[in-house]
Amino acid sequence: GQSLEQPSEVTAVEGAIVQINCTYQTSGFYGLSWYQQHDGGAPTFLSYNALDGLEETGRFSSFLSRSDSYGYLLLQELQMKDSASYFCAVRLNTNAGKSTFGDGTTLTVKP
Amino acid sequence: ETGVTQTPRHLVMGMTNKKSLKCEQHLGHNAMYWYKQSAKKPLELMFVYSLEERVENNSVPSRFSPECPNSSHLFLHLHTLQPEDSALYLCASSPVAGGTDTQYFGPGTRLTVL
Repeated sequence: GQSLEQPSEVTAVEGAIVQINCTYQTSGFYGLSWYQQHDGGAPTFLSYNALDGLEETGRFSSFLSRSDSYGYLLLQELQMKDSASYFCAVRLNTNAGKSTFGDGTTLTVKP
Repeated sequence: ETGVTQTPRHLVMGMTNKKSLKCEQHLGHNAMYWYKQSAKKPLELMFVYSLEERVENNSVPSRFSPECPNSSHLFLHLHTLQPEDSALYLCASSPVAGGTDTQYFGPGTRLTVL
């Protein structure tokens, strides 16, 4: 089966840096995605890693280690608007493009 | 705005009702998806359509019936649902099914089954 683990909640203050970890056990791994979902909103794509290493997009970076079945999302210079749920998702190498999502991490940014 | 729209945004129905959820994407994508998001649970993939053909049916009860008349529209027909089916139903699309393509999500339909 497929399983992903990420912390359920993280709290940080404005301007800080926070790292959300994701470990996975899947068959047919293709890549790791991260999505952000604000309360009442739709998930929106943040980043995707297919190869080991760090991908940087503005204040957000994502890291993958395939040998460790581990990745993380790094959020820098936190802003209040970053308060949301963050999901890691493993993209499987099937023709159907199936992704398995983690339970999500609720990030609360405090002043 | 992600280019994926869903209607209705909220739906309350009884267990004997029949209703349909609609999804439309304006992105020229060839793949469309239905997900279920329940409280305190991860996103669950229900169906995948690629070029109007169903390529994935993730052990979903038959009371959920998808329909994809063309690559821009996706429906989820609902009948004789149970209270535990209450959830947020999300539609997504991607350029193709599979590979590295990012999925773009609609705002979802919040379904309550009484």
